[in-house]
Amino acid sequence: KQEVTQIPAALSVPEGENLVLNCSFTDSAIYNLQWFRQDPGKGLTSLLLIQSSQREQTSGRLNASLDKSSGRSTLYIAASQPGDSATYLCALGFQKLVFGTGTRLLVSP
Amino acid sequence: EAGVAQSPRYKIIEKRQSVAFWCNPISGHATLYWYQQILGQGPKLLIQFQNNGVVDDSQLPKDRFSAERLKGVDSTLKIQPAKLEDSAVYLCASNYQSVGPDRSYEQYFGPGTRLTVT
Repeated sequence: KQEVTQIPAALSVPEGENLVLNCSFTDSAIYNLQWFRQDPGKGLTSLLLIQSSQREQTSGRLNASLDKSSGRSTLYIAASQPGDSATYLCALGFQKLVFGTGTRLLVSP
Repeated sequence: EAGVAQSPRYKIIEKRQSVAFWCNPISGHATLYWYQQILGQGPKLLIQFQNNGVVDDSQLPKDRFSAERLKGVDSTLKIQPAKLEDSAVYLCASNYQSVGPDRSYEQYFGPGTRLTVT
């Protein structure tokens, strides 16, 4: 059974810092890994999708990497801004996604 | 492109009552999912439809939950009777399955329905 863990559970940083969110999983025979953002009271917004054959994806200030051999993915956020404050979730699977519990990020001005 | 639509956004009911949620996926998306997200946890898949057929409902509590997707477009999720532990956000998602070696299953989520059972 696939288990997904996200560390840390919460993170508070001042504006401008670069930061890394971690996602680890137990089943290395994964398919896709998707990072989502969830704002309070809202649904999930897809940030990046890394297909099984890929090692990383980049979008703007975001970079996500995937290392299947170690069972880890990282989401790197450069030059953080208060608008980045949200909960970040990683999920694994092809169609049936298994989610981590998320990292709650607070970026203060 | 319009996103995934869900209604209602909020619902408060008493235990043992029934409730229904509605979802309209992105046009052209054949696959539709219902997830349950309990406070402080990640979403958990309840049921997956491919067109109007069920692909996976292994985590759906079938004694009280039911779902249908008539005509392969809109979907409804029903709970009858509701229990206190059903309090959660119910998320609907859809995706378009591309073909070929670089198949992508990127899922797009609606805003969710927050259910409170008292």
